[in-house]
Amino acid sequence: DAGVIQSPRHEVTEMGQEVTLRCKPISGHDYLFWYRQTMMRGLELLIYFNNNVPIDDSGMPEDRFSAKMPNASFSTLKIQPSEPRDSAVYFCASSFLGGGKTQYFGPGTRLLVL
Amino acid sequence: AQKITQTQPGMFVQEKEAVTLDCTYDTSDPSYGLFWYKQPSSGEMIFLIYQGSYDQQNATEGRYSLNFQKARKSANLVISASQLGDSAMYFCAMRGLDQTGANNLFFGTGTRLTVIP
Repeated sequence: DAGVIQSPRHEVTEMGQEVTLRCKPISGHDYLFWYRQTMMRGLELLIYFNNNVPIDDSGMPEDRFSAKMPNASFSTLKIQPSEPRDSAVYFCASSFLGGGKTQYFGPGTRLLVL
Repeated sequence: AQKITQTQPGMFVQEKEAVTLDCTYDTSDPSYGLFWYKQPSSGEMIFLIYQGSYDQQNATEGRYSLNFQKARKSANLVISASQLGDSAMYFCAMRGLDQTGANNLFFGTGTRLTVIP
């Protein structure tokens, strides 16, 4: 079975550009999470969805970040405009029947904003 | 509030030896769950093992076992017969209530394990 799929795997962009990260959760999972990982702050939960509905976006750093889940098999995390401090690895994870259940992570997108 | 603490930033172990990675937690919820994830240098997060707060026995998955001491609020990961491929970051996580009152995972800061040949 395919795991969580993320694209792109690596992204290098210039400050001020729009960045869109994509995620396909495991089929049948009803929860989807976006995390950001940096050396300084560790693993941070940005936002999560249940049945395509955003539940908690309190972890989203600021208005430059937005996330959507138009259907059960696709979600995007957009940064506009991007800044160098957004450089991090962004993980998407999915789970079945709850955020407290085992979350399965995608391979991550390594973002570098110059 | 839920809190997960991993006090060992880095650990070294000789190949084929056992190693224990520490994790303590703090919660007032009677029902919770504890998870361990492995993050190798390639970056992916791999689920290893789960322990429920009401589970009577310590969880085991192959060479991984969770030393669950409820009274001490500790959930240490034991890796037996270490292999070079075990070198990675290891994260402890706990299921707890987030700001919305829903269950979610809270992660520790991780321990970097290096297996020495």
